[in-house]
Amino acid sequence: GAGVSQSPRYKVAKRGQDVALRCDPISGHVSLFWYQQALGQGPEFLTYFQNEAQLDKSGLPSDRFFAERPEGSVSTLKIQRTQQEDSAVYLCASSRPMGRGYNEQFFGPGTRLTVL
Amino acid sequence: AQKVTQAQTEISVVEKEDVTLDCVYETRDTTYYLFWYKQPPSGELVFLIRRNSFDEQNEISGRYSWNFQKSTSSFNFTITASQVVDSAVYFCALSEKNSGYALNFGKGTSLLVTP
Repeated sequence: GAGVSQSPRYKVAKRGQDVALRCDPISGHVSLFWYQQALGQGPEFLTYFQNEAQLDKSGLPSDRFFAERPEGSVSTLKIQRTQQEDSAVYLCASSRPMGRGYNEQFFGPGTRLTVL
Repeated sequence: AQKVTQAQTEISVVEKEDVTLDCVYETRDTTYYLFWYKQPPSGELVFLIRRNSFDEQNEISGRYSWNFQKSTSSFNFTITASQVVDSAVYFCALSEKNSGYALNFGKGTSLLVTP
């Protein structure tokens, strides 16, 4: 079956531009996570959705970062007025509902964002 | 505060050597999960193992083994008879029930296995 897909795979933006990164989770997965991985670092949590509800956005680094999942399926991570420090790989993961116990997070291939 | 510490930034071994990657974690949750992921140069995160806080049994899978010790808050990963294909960055991660099960990753250990 299809895994988590992300698009675009690579994005180059000029400083100050807005970008939108898309994540298509595995069908039926209600939980969706976004992570940011800077070069040479481990992924860092950004935000978490259960269906269309954004339950945790504590990891978003600034108010320039915004995520949505309006129909509880596809999610978009938007970064406004990009800065060079936003350059990173953005990873999306989806899973069955996180509730009583943990369900495996399946990761997409990531979007590599380079801000010039 | 860093919840997962991987003190080894880079390790270099010769093929067929055994190598242990260290992971120390910090949590106040009684329900949590620990993971190891492999990230080869292609960049994809490959899941290796998950252990829950109630199961301290060590695990062996082929050349891989994991040692979970709650007393020292450690979850170490050993590769026996390393191979060149094991070269990658390895991440240890913690998932806590009280944090919605988001993954907290360590900074990773870069393993280089040379022929």
